[in-house]
Amino acid sequence: ETGVTQTPRHLVMGMTNKKSLKCEQHLGHNAMYWYKQSAKKPLELMFVYSLEERVENNSVPSRFSPECPNSSHLFLHLHTLQPEDSALYLCASSQDPGIEEKLFFGSGTQLSVL
Amino acid sequence: SQQGEEDPQALSIQEGENATMNCSYKTSINNLQWYRQNSGRGLVHLILIRSNEREKHSGRLRVTLDTSKKSSSLLITASRAADTASYFCATDRVESGGSYIPTFGRGTSLIVHP
Repeated sequence: ETGVTQTPRHLVMGMTNKKSLKCEQHLGHNAMYWYKQSAKKPLELMFVYSLEERVENNSVPSRFSPECPNSSHLFLHLHTLQPEDSALYLCASSQDPGIEEKLFFGSGTQLSVL
Repeated sequence: SQQGEEDPQALSIQEGENATMNCSYKTSINNLQWYRQNSGRGLVHLILIRSNEREKHSGRLRVTLDTSKKSSSLLITASRAADTASYFCATDRVESGGSYIPTFGRGTSLIVHP
């Protein structure tokens, strides 16, 4: 295991639902990331938090709302999603968002929006 | 954009053969990383090569970097069925706050037949 745990592993939701994805890291890292992985597309960086402060918001629609209550936990709150938001959502952590930092990924949440 | 692009998109080989994957990028980098992703799982860091390095080894993995051509290659020698996975390169991207964020391509899907 990588030390980064994501729940749930699978999620099916309707366009009017509200749900949250959870990520927890047990590595003592200071930076946490959300990536979106869609078929045939590069991994898309969504959000980056460093020491619980958001340092990157990559033009993500407001229907995705991140929350980082402490350096070990990261949430992605979802509401009124669209079918094209169906993807694998990956959480990652690193010691810091600096040079030569390698990322440790969770197993992801496979999201299907109906 | 800064992200690396892997080539080929898919590679199918027999066990025991060598597998070579390439990554090209557009702007100067501080380092380049290679990651592996098993189906439905998160990415796992394999190796990092700095911009002043030309070659690096780790077990059966050999990574080269040619900054003049803005390209890198990942060679897996004596491949095994367990090497079946997708492989991604990641280049660092400097954010306005000074953070370096790994930026990924679409990946190369490798299938190793027993």
